[in-house]
Amino acid sequence: SQKIEQNSEALNIQEGKTATLTCNYTNYSPAYLQWYRQDPGRGPVFLLLIRENEKEKRKERLKVTFDTTLKQSLFHITASQPADSATYLCASTKSGGSNYKLTFGKGTLLTVNP
Amino acid sequence: DTAVSQTPKYLVTQMGNDKSIKCEQNLGHDTMYWYKQDSKKFLKIMFSYNNKELIINETVPNRFSPKSPDKAHLNLHINSLELGDSAVYFCASSPPSSNTGELFFGEGSRLTVL
Repeated sequence: SQKIEQNSEALNIQEGKTATLTCNYTNYSPAYLQWYRQDPGRGPVFLLLIRENEKEKRKERLKVTFDTTLKQSLFHITASQPADSATYLCASTKSGGSNYKLTFGKGTLLTVNP
Repeated sequence: DTAVSQTPKYLVTQMGNDKSIKCEQNLGHDTMYWYKQDSKKFLKIMFSYNNKELIINETVPNRFSPKSPDKAHLNLHINSLELGDSAVYFCASSPPSSNTGELFFGEGSRLTVL
């Protein structure tokens, strides 16, 4: 079956370091992957989208990569700050599925320690 | 000036009751959604409406009935509530110009069934 997975439930890093979160997909080829941030008690907020023909996308301190060989997207936060602490979710649509039907990974809880 | 707003934010009720959650978006989007986030933080799509027409119905019990009176509103009515319905319900919308479905989420409605 088609799956999108974030294998790390939690990641702890020191302030100033680069956080790297992983999203893997199996048994399908997504046309794009999206990344969201969710703070406790809040709704997810869209951060970045990367298409299958893009290797890398950047937005300020955020960088997303898409490796169709490894079937993986990496989400990087450089010069991390305690304010970056949140759960980060990746999402995509399934092959042959509706563009309206996003499937989410379970998320990775990032904690940036001061 | 909230983009996607849903009410109530918290709802505590007894098993067997009927309850509704309301959602409104002022972004001019054509497509609206209901997602359910369970205790394990897994975010799953329930319904989607495009211009008041139901386009996604994800094997949700028919105790759940969405209603879209116009494209800016999508309400969720739940009959005969069960313990397993306890979760956070998120309303979301996506812009008509997007073929990649970036979602704009509300803040969530936490439903607790006792």
